[in-house]
Amino acid sequence: TQLLEQSPQFLSIQEGENLTVYCNSSSVFSSLQWYRQEPGEGPVLLVTVVTGGEVKKLKRLTFQFGDARKDSSLHITAAQPGDTGLYLCAGESTNAGKSTFGDGTTLTVKP
Amino acid sequence: EAQVTQNPRYLITVTGKKLTVTCSQNMNHEYMSWYRQDPGLGLRQIYYSMNVEVTDKGDVPEGYKVSRKEKRNFPLILESPSPNQTSLYFCASSLSNYWGGEQFFGPGTRLTVL
Repeated sequence: TQLLEQSPQFLSIQEGENLTVYCNSSSVFSSLQWYRQEPGEGPVLLVTVVTGGEVKKLKRLTFQFGDARKDSSLHITAAQPGDTGLYLCAGESTNAGKSTFGDGTTLTVKP
Repeated sequence: EAQVTQNPRYLITVTGKKLTVTCSQNMNHEYMSWYRQDPGLGLRQIYYSMNVEVTDKGDVPEGYKVSRKEKRNFPLILESPSPNQTSLYFCASSLSNYWGGEQFFGPGTRLTVL
């Protein structure tokens, strides 16, 4: 079983601060996705990265895929209370269709 | 409205009483999958299906069954539920056979097995 470890598990910051969430594995993934989940709902896709070294930006969110395609990071600039939620990374294994999720980072942004 | 629906949303049952959680998508997606979510463990894949009549085990398939007789439906069956199957369950679907496609998740089913 391929594992994805996320850190930190919990993060509580003030509005306006920057933060980075990490997603690490000893395995290579074909692609990696980041999802955001709010209480009582299913996860919603934020981004997919497929190329080693790839960087994608989504407004104040910056996603990076490691050169070796084993790790990824999510950086949020000037966090806002609306960014509060559970952030999950998910990797595609060598078996198409089989996916592995990290254990999540719970982010709380205080106004 | 494009969506993934699950029923029931909440279920309390007793050990050993067979149950089925239904999942349906109206987006003509080929790929469907079931996950369970437990505190501190993220989402763990139970079963997935790349197409009709094709199903494969995920990381935690023990105690679960699935079927994919139609493209739109992917029911999860617990033949003899046990308390360790108490969890929040999510069904997801995706257009692409190649996993890099976006997975659309249902609203979740919270199951309690007493």
